[in-house]
Amino acid sequence: QLVLTQSPSASASLGASVKLTCTLSSGRSGYTIAWHQQQPGRGPRYLMTLNNDGSHNKGDGIPDRFSGSSSGAERYLTISNLQSEDEADYYCQTWGSGIVFGGGTKLTVL
Amino acid sequence: EVQLLESGGGLVQPGGSLRLSCAASEFTFSKYGMSWVRQAPGKGLDWVSSINSAGASTYYAESVKGRFTISRDNSKNSLYLQMNSLRAEDTAIYYCAKNGANTISGVDQWGQGTLVTVSS
Repeated sequence: QLVLTQSPSASASLGASVKLTCTLSSGRSGYTIAWHQQQPGRGPRYLMTLNNDGSHNKGDGIPDRFSGSSSGAERYLTISNLQSEDEADYYCQTWGSGIVFGGGTKLTVL
Repeated sequence: EVQLLESGGGLVQPGGSLRLSCAASEFTFSKYGMSWVRQAPGKGLDWVSSINSAGASTYYAESVKGRFTISRDNSKNSLYLQMNSLRAEDTAIYYCAKNGANTISGVDQWGQGTLVTVSS
């Protein structure tokens, strides 16, 4: 079964960096994922598509502060120089016979 | 700039029906798969259904299979979701989403959402 696992919460200080993790279920380490951001009270926003080799394509207007990387079944979203507006829920997403979302990580900027 | 504009949400009684629409613009609609994704109050994102670019292949979450029908009209740049036999647990914001390829794939654009409330 295709499953994505995310930590429910993360926190980091203003101006610091944070690395969020999305883990693919066993045997699925070759899958491409997408990262999405959802700020409080708003709809989701596409951030990037991330491949198993770490290559990624960002959406229009996504700042350079957002980057992706991969290692085995892990997919990462790194946000550098954290800003207050980065406080949001972050979801990873992949697909097979259907689309699958991770449970989301709530990022708090301290 | 890609635009996806949902409409058709509202309050409906359990067992009732509703049809959602999504008007797409600023991209070649007929080349891309499309999806519906929902979000119940205070919950995460939940995939509902997808359709390929030609409309020939459709995909559904188990929770809606047999009750919801996805369709598209490429001549009108529009996506639809017919929802029948609605239940309280279908209450959510429903988002129209553009896939990054001509079939089921990663989402790369989102609409602003339309709220569906199922309640007596």
